Amino acid sequence: QKEVEQNSGPLSVPEGAIASLNCTYSDRGSQSFFWYRQYSGKSPELIMFIYSNGDKEDGRFTAQLNKASQYVSLLIRDSQPSDSATYLCAVNERSSNTGKLIFGQGTTLQVKP
Amino acid sequence: DVKVTQSSRYLVKRTGEKVFLECVQDMDHENMFWYRQDPGLGLRLIYFSYDVKMKEKGDIPEGYSVSREKKERFSLILESASTNQTSMYLCASSLSVQPQHFGDGTRLSIL
Repeated sequence: QKEVEQNSGPLSVPEGAIASLNCTYSDRGSQSFFWYRQYSGKSPELIMFIYSNGDKEDGRFTAQLNKASQYVSLLIRDSQPSDSATYLCAVNERSSNTGKLIFGQGTTLQVKP
Repeated sequence: DVKVTQSSRYLVKRTGEKVFLECVQDMDHENMFWYRQDPGLGLRLIYFSYDVKMKEKGDIPEGYSVSREKKERFSLILESASTNQTSMYLCASSLSVQPQHFGDGTRLSIL
């Protein structure tokens, strides 16, 4: 059973701090990694994707991938109360070329003013 | 921008009814997906389709069927609705192995 594991949280950080969200996955053949943000009662929204080892930065967000350790993370710099949401990690299922993703349960982030 | 449109934001139906949830995407994506999301259970894949008239079961297909007669439209059917199918239903689409893009969701209540 292929799995994606996230700490459910809540992860609480003060406004302006760096929030670090982590994700591990079991399918060593996975090639594509995604972070979605989901506000309460809303649908998931794509915020980052990464395909290669290393870091990828987009504004206040940095995705980090380490395929050898089967680990992907999301850093949010200068956290704002509007970043309070659940963050879903998703990984492609290598055995399928249909775009099927395996989602983690999500980490709830609380940014306190 | 990708636009995935689900036909209803909120829907209330009765036990035993046949329920149709519709999803339309405007980006010529070959892949389309139906999920349900329940508190504490995360996103669970019901069915997906990788081409017109092609479908595959996801993790929880029991009690559901799907239809994809046209590339842009993917329908989820609850053959005989039951109270345990009360949930948030999310449709998504993607191109090849690119990111999935989600619709706004349908909050379905079965009474």
